[in-house]
Amino acid sequence: DAGVTQSPTHLIKTRGQHVTLRCSPISGHKSVSWYQQVLGQGPQFIFQYYEKEERGRGNFPDRFSARQFPNYSSELNVNALLLGDSALYLCASSLAGQGTNQPQHFGDGTRLSIL
Amino acid sequence: DQQVKQNSPSLSVQEGRISILNCDYTNSMFDYFLWYKKYPAEGPTFLISISSIKDKNEDGRFTVFLNKSAKHLSLHIVPSQPGDSAVYFCAASGVGGSARQLTFGSGTQLTVLP
Repeated sequence: DAGVTQSPTHLIKTRGQHVTLRCSPISGHKSVSWYQQVLGQGPQFIFQYYEKEERGRGNFPDRFSARQFPNYSSELNVNALLLGDSALYLCASSLAGQGTNQPQHFGDGTRLSIL
Repeated sequence: DQQVKQNSPSLSVQEGRISILNCDYTNSMFDYFLWYKKYPAEGPTFLISISSIKDKNEDGRFTVFLNKSAKHLSLHIVPSQPGDSAVYFCAASGVGGSARQLTFGSGTQLTVLP
């Protein structure tokens, strides 16, 4: 079975541009979460979507937005890119979005570099 | 404010011996704890988890211990193998709204020496 897939794997942008990152969850998983990981730190929570609705948002500015599609895939959009947005962006999927304890399974991430 | 802390950035262990990785948390609302392993250029891989109603969970060579009163958990790997060399992240989630977001520690680099 395919795991969580993310595209693209690498991306280079300049300041002020916008970017769209994509994620396909494990088949049957309805919850998708996005995390940002900068070097030397653990992943930081950005968003969670469950059944196409936003269920949680981390401490990130409004330049960050996301959505989930009817097939449960998801996009993360970042506008007006800053140098500090350079990071590994991870997508994770799980069977449940709330109430039950289910592990989140991660893709290999998109490495975003801002010049 | 770091709610999940891994105070050891690195750990070296001889092959065949026990590896013990530690994690502390401050938020008493956390009720589910997980360990992930991460190789370079890959995403974190889920290893093992534990609910707050338990104090121990085993899966093969991996055992997680939870001490709720001390707000401390540990991952034991026995016996350690060179392929276990990776960064290990502790993560926690709790009942806060409807999102089961994970809060991660900063990771511990485990090196298993042959």
